[in-house]
Amino acid sequence: DTAVSQTPKYLVTQMGNDKSIKCEQNLGHDTMYWYKQDSKKFLKIMFSYNNKELIINETVPNRFSPKSPDKAHLNLHINSLELGDSAVYFCASSHGLQQYFGPGTRLTVT
Amino acid sequence: GENVEQHPSTLSVQEGDSAVIKCTYSDSASNYFPWYKQELGKRPQLIIDIRSNVGEKKDQRIAVTLNKTAKHFSLHITETQPEDSAVYFCAASRGFGNEKLTFGTGTRLTIIP
Repeated sequence: DTAVSQTPKYLVTQMGNDKSIKCEQNLGHDTMYWYKQDSKKFLKIMFSYNNKELIINETVPNRFSPKSPDKAHLNLHINSLELGDSAVYFCASSHGLQQYFGPGTRLTVT
Repeated sequence: GENVEQHPSTLSVQEGDSAVIKCTYSDSASNYFPWYKQELGKRPQLIIDIRSNVGEKKDQRIAVTLNKTAKHFSLHITETQPEDSAVYFCAASRGFGNEKLTFGTGTRLTIIP
């Protein structure tokens, strides 16, 4: 079951580094999302792209920059990582209302 | 913006009994309400959803009810089984494609064998 996939699954890095997370969906969906799940399990939308166009950009530090090279891919680049960026990042996709999540990337900043 | 409150935060239920999780929302324009189940270390998985033009929807042992006037909706799980143990999230959106989901804070459900 690889409908929505993310790489890497785990990412451990030091403060100040720059890292990227990649997401791919093979469902033919038009819209993709990035969510952040913090240590208390709270899920919050960060960004959304529809057909490569940014349509949702929540209050997120500008160290976070999403990029969608095509509608099947959505990447997340994070500059100057901070301790507070440690979380699980989920990619999701949708066609219509139902959103389907990827397996998540657990980012740990030390 | 939308605010979704979810209760209880933890729930322990004897196997075979029913479990009920409740959510309230603030945006009267919201009309799509999905529920997600997240097992430990796994992705949130959509288990059932409801649109505001219906008051109840059922799928085997799970059902969702919606009271649009009171702006609350609930998840009901009957005949609970150990594999129902997970964190459950409610969410709300305005129901257009591309709309963001606003999630509740989650309920950790534990089924006691």
